[in-house]
Amino acid sequence: GQNIDQPTEMTATEGAIVQINCTYQTSGFNGLFWYQQHAGEAPTFLSYNVLDGLEEKGRFSSFLSRSKGYSYLLLKELQMKDSASYLCAVLDSNYQLIWGAGTKLIIKP
Amino acid sequence: GAVVSQHPSWVICKSGTSVKIECRSLDFQATTMFWYRQFPKQSLMLMATSNEGSKATYEQGVEKDKFLINHASLTLSTLTVTSAHPEDSSFYICSARIPDREVTTETQYFGPGTRLLVL
Repeated sequence: GQNIDQPTEMTATEGAIVQINCTYQTSGFNGLFWYQQHAGEAPTFLSYNVLDGLEEKGRFSSFLSRSKGYSYLLLKELQMKDSASYLCAVLDSNYQLIWGAGTKLIIKP
Repeated sequence: GAVVSQHPSWVICKSGTSVKIECRSLDFQATTMFWYRQFPKQSLMLMATSNEGSKATYEQGVEKDKFLINHASLTLSTLTVTSAHPEDSSFYICSARIPDREVTTETQYFGPGTRLLVL
């Protein structure tokens, strides 16, 4: 079966750095996405990785290791508005998105 | 970026009634749209894939006679929840895929979601 694992909840302090991990086992791999979802809203795109390595985009960075079936989303200089759920999703061999359950990130002042 | 709209954003209905949710791609033509359901504190669950001009493909466990999907045009897909019951109360989100777009950035654009409450 296909499976994506990420922690259910994480807590971090404003101004700090947090890393949200995601491991996956899917039938085929055509890329990994990270989305941000605020409560009661639709997900918004953050990043896409298909090759190994780190992709940096402002305060957010995403890392991928295909051999390990592993990715992480790194958030720097945390702000209160970063409090949200972060969803990891993998595009499988059929180009279908397989979603993780999401990690709820709580930012404390 | 591409814009996807949903209507209504909120709906409250009595048990046994039917509810129609519209999903529109505003500035692009979407041959494929997706319907998701999300219960509180859970991730997105794909319900069905809607292809313009053909029958929708439903995920296992989703009743196609209860969740009717129509994708009559390249910019509109509708989801009708027939004979809704309280357990159907959820957050319904549609997304649209830009056809023939290389998968380098966003694969799907999401609508803002429709919150359904069945009393």
